[in-house]
Amino acid sequence: AQSVTQLDSQVPVFEEAPVELRCNYSSSVSVYLFWYVQYPNQGLQLLLKYLSGSTLVKGINGFEAEFNKSQTSFHLRKPSVHISDTAEYFCAVSSGGSNYKLTFGKGTLLTVNP
Amino acid sequence: NAGVTQTPKFRVLKTGQSMTLLCAQDMNHEYMYWYRQDPGMGLRLIHYSVGEGTTAKGEVPDGYNVSRLKKQNFLLGLESAAPSQTSVYFCASRDRGGVTEAFFGQGTRLTVV
Repeated sequence: AQSVTQLDSQVPVFEEAPVELRCNYSSSVSVYLFWYVQYPNQGLQLLLKYLSGSTLVKGINGFEAEFNKSQTSFHLRKPSVHISDTAEYFCAVSSGGSNYKLTFGKGTLLTVNP
Repeated sequence: NAGVTQTPKFRVLKTGQSMTLLCAQDMNHEYMYWYRQDPGMGLRLIHYSVGEGTTAKGEVPDGYNVSRLKKQNFLLGLESAAPSQTSVYFCASRDRGGVTEAFFGQGTRLTVV
């Protein structure tokens, strides 16, 4: 079975500071990994995804994530955050065996303060 | 460019009432999902469908039923609503294969009193 653990439920940072949101996954087969963002009272939208190839993936709004197979991690980073990045971020995994299932972590609330 | 549309957006039900949430997608996706979102719990899969006429249980299926009579629609039913079903419900669709991302609707905020 596949699962996702987001290690921090809340991350407060100041504007223009760097941020890292942590995500670990477990799966016995090859994985596809996703980060989604949810702004208040909205649905989820895709930030970036890792399918194969380069382990550093770039997404929208200046976010990037690095796939680390040995550590089973897919951490999300941004070098300088803005107030508008305040949102909830979800990591998700889809495994090769049961690839119709998309399993989400519990989310990390990023709050950017002025 | 509708994508995934959920109806209704808000609803208040009394305990024991029934209702159906409708999800419609216009991207010809094979897979469709119903999730519920509760504070601190992330998104939990209720039911899903891998094609027209097929449905399967997710991790929290109790108290819900689904149907997918047409490829573009996925209905979630609550036969006898309970306060524990107060939540935000999201529908998502996805093309066949694990490499594709899911597209989400805007959510339905349901309150059961």
